[in-house]
Amino acid sequence: DADVTQTPRNRITKTGKRIMLECSQTKGHDRMYWYRQDPGLGLRLIYYSFDVKDINKGEISDGYSVSRQAQAKFSLSLESAIPNQTALYFCATSVNRGSMTEAFFGQGTRLTVV
Amino acid sequence: GNSVTQMEGPVTLSEEAFLTINCTYTATGYPSLFWYVQYPGEGLQLLLKATKADDKGSNKGFEATYRKETTSFHLEKGSVQVSDSAVYFCALITGGGADGLTFGKGTHLIIQP
Repeated sequence: DADVTQTPRNRITKTGKRIMLECSQTKGHDRMYWYRQDPGLGLRLIYYSFDVKDINKGEISDGYSVSRQAQAKFSLSLESAIPNQTALYFCATSVNRGSMTEAFFGQGTRLTVV
Repeated sequence: GNSVTQMEGPVTLSEEAFLTINCTYTATGYPSLFWYVQYPGEGLQLLLKATKADDKGSNKGFEATYRKETTSFHLEKGSVQVSDSAVYFCALITGGGADGLTFGKGTHLIIQP
């Protein structure tokens, strides 16, 4: 089983619809992140959370919201989807190991807004 | 803030050719450096990493050396295979991960038989 699991893996939705992308992890990490990937732009940070009571905006948070329901769960919502939110979305966790910080990624959710 | 610049693709090589993908960075503080690989239709996989100056990360025949003096972390492989075709991302993280990973824009590598 994957350590970081995203659902759904693929989703097509209509403009104006509300949609939620879910992420769960079995690694026991406190820090979780949502990124979106667009061709030619790499990965950009949407939101991140250090624990259940902590939510922080990333580089491109407009049009998105998140909820950290538990240490293991971090969901991303699009309240009213628009076509330019069509992208590949990744959830990630991170942990510090001495001087090293390591990140672990889910398999991604491909979202298409039509 | 942090930023990562990597060579733009696509990079097209013949099988068994030597590969270099350049990556340079700017960072506040002392970053850890990573290369991630994304195979077609899949998520991100950590390829290799380095945490301090002069460290060499290596995996699957790929290598990258953390060069603090040139703020670089170039990816190299001596003899590429068709199965190496993928998108490669250089990334860094600072401050214990407080701001997440900062990624380059990715380099699409195409290896022809």
